[in-house]
Amino acid sequence: NAGVTQTPKFQVLKTGQSMTLQCAQDMNHNSMYWYRQDPGMGLRLIYYSASEGTTDKGEVPNGYNVSRLNKREFSLRLESAAPSQTSVYFCASSEIWVGNQPQHFGDGTRLSIL
Amino acid sequence: DQQVKQNSPSLSVQEGRISILNCDYTNSMFDYFLWYKKYPAEGPTFLISISSIKDKNEDGRFTVFLNKSAKHLSLHIVPSQPGDSAVYFCAASEIQGAQKLVFGQGTRLTINP
Repeated sequence: NAGVTQTPKFQVLKTGQSMTLQCAQDMNHNSMYWYRQDPGMGLRLIYYSASEGTTDKGEVPNGYNVSRLNKREFSLRLESAAPSQTSVYFCASSEIWVGNQPQHFGDGTRLSIL
Repeated sequence: DQQVKQNSPSLSVQEGRISILNCDYTNSMFDYFLWYKKYPAEGPTFLISISSIKDKNEDGRFTVFLNKSAKHLSLHIVPSQPGDSAVYFCAASEIQGAQKLVFGQGTRLTINP
């Protein structure tokens, strides 16, 4: 009954370091998403994958890259971390790419960049 | 430019009473609206949704109302229970944007015994 699993849960990086956040879902969902949440703000979409083999930019894609490794896994990479990328990152999935499908979220990765 | 706004950062309600959480939006192309609930150190969980062709949707203690002319939606929780204490986010998407959700800032609801 795992749903959406994110690793790691916490990470501290130095400016300029690179890192990949991992996300896997076991619900056989077609669509996956990466969001960031900053204090006092709602979640903002970074990148999404409507189906296996496709990825597209969301609202705040600068400084990030993604890989849809297979149907289950969708990773987010920070090539050169900056303090402005300090945030809580959430991965989500939905059954298909239509508006009436709720998204299921992981518990987040709390990332601090010094 | 924030397309979805929750103007009340926090709300405190007595147990058993009604909780009303509000959300305003500016984009007339939004077609689908959702409410998510979030506990600390957990991800958001889906609560209830409404399509723009409806003005009300009910699920147990939770009812969402949509007023398209005012670009306003609200979530009613009746009766409020201690387990309802959480941060509530409203979100919206366009028909063409499908699953590209735009979230509000969230409202922290505290239910007092």
